[in-house]
Amino acid sequence: DQQVKQNSPSLSVQEGRISILNCDYTNSMFDYFLWYKKYPAEGPTFLISISSIKDKNEDGRFTVFLNKSAKHLSLHIVPSQPGDSAVYFCAASVYSGNTPLVFGKGTRLSVIA
Amino acid sequence: DGGITQSPKYLFRKEGQNVTLSCEQNLNHDAMYWYRQDPGQGLRLIYYSQIVNDFQKGDIAEGYSVSREKKESFPLTVTSAQKNPTAFYLCASSTPTREQGGRDTEAFFGQGTRLTVV
Repeated sequence: DQQVKQNSPSLSVQEGRISILNCDYTNSMFDYFLWYKKYPAEGPTFLISISSIKDKNEDGRFTVFLNKSAKHLSLHIVPSQPGDSAVYFCAASVYSGNTPLVFGKGTRLSVIA
Repeated sequence: DGGITQSPKYLFRKEGQNVTLSCEQNLNHDAMYWYRQDPGQGLRLIYYSQIVNDFQKGDIAEGYSVSREKKESFPLTVTSAQKNPTAFYLCASSTPTREQGGRDTEAFFGQGTRLTVV
């Protein structure tokens, strides 16, 4: 049973436009959410996170929105750049200190120049 | 520089052989994790360790074994019992940060090991 779902395997966006990547979760105990970016044959790198006490967190071009009632979060990238082309993973964890992250299957973003 | 080192980057194994993947971190993190990535499957948890000399099974532990004798090291052995070992293996570590009230921080990942059974 998948606890973290990324229902769009891929997304194509034109350079300069907004990219919106979506993630849904089923476990209501999750209270910390993260986005990772991954290039082929490399380890994922941390992008941005949000705790359940917030509904929005911004870091430069990246903004994560959390809707707890809908168990949904999204990552907005504005403006999108060709270097943003990668696989993006949504992850979640339960507040307990060093608990493992549960990952979605990822969304491949292609930013077209 | 602080970080997580996985070795080797590429590994070939004959069917029926055990093989050990190395993971070392110098970030002084308490917790370490092993994930497996298959095409279209995301990252699935194999084993994790929150403290030295203790580890827990993840979602897909069958056919794998680990040890945590030192804080810095968390090797993963892929045994002959693992039916489909060809995959990309990722090691990670994490520790809570005080400014977040002891909550989890992000996990830091190594560069991965590509294991191929030949």
